[in-house]
Amino acid sequence: GAVVSQHPSWVICKSGTSVKIECRSLDFQATTMFWYRQFPKQSLMLMATSNEGSKATYEQGVEKDKFLINHASLTLSTLTVTSAHPEDSSFYICSARPRGRSYEQYFGPGTRLTVT
Amino acid sequence: KNQVEQSPQSLIILEGKNCTLQCNYTVSPFSNLRWYKQDTGRGPVSLTIMTFSENTKSNGRYTATLDADTKQSSLHITASQLSDSASYICVVNDYKLSFGAGTTVTVRA
Repeated sequence: GAVVSQHPSWVICKSGTSVKIECRSLDFQATTMFWYRQFPKQSLMLMATSNEGSKATYEQGVEKDKFLINHASLTLSTLTVTSAHPEDSSFYICSARPRGRSYEQYFGPGTRLTVT
Repeated sequence: KNQVEQSPQSLIILEGKNCTLQCNYTVSPFSNLRWYKQDTGRGPVSLTIMTFSENTKSNGRYTATLDADTKQSSLHITASQLSDSASYICVVNDYKLSFGAGTTVTVRA
């Protein structure tokens, strides 16, 4: 149980285009989902926290107009990287917190984004 | 300054040998401390989870220890295998996760 999936697992896009990444909790309801970014040889950095049905809370330094997060249901959150640039190339990982288990987070397998 | 510091940054060991990874933290209080294994290009996978009152937790060849007085944790890998090559991340959970930078372990035949 407690499986989180991400789609796509990797994507290559051209500079200036937008890319959407999906995060799904497959066997539980997630009241909160988190989006992280990880650069090579570095640890995960929290970008934003999203609660189902409400606006996401972004960490300092993360542009909310560039990284659009939608958490429309208890099992799905999406991250859209708008007008992507090469410096947005990174590994994006989501995690999901199950309803009623406030100290748990289950991570997805990650999405590798390469902007050319 | 990061609230979770890990050492060493990387290490290389021979297959079959043991190794110990260190984690020092300043986050306090906290709900639990976890060790994750992250293979290259994959998301983190939980190895062990300990509450602040637990001293040790094992998961197969992985054994984690926790000293809440000194705010230190360690992860011991016994009889390493090639598949143990990965990054190991110490994470302190006080509702919001605080991540260490990870230790990259390379196991060589």
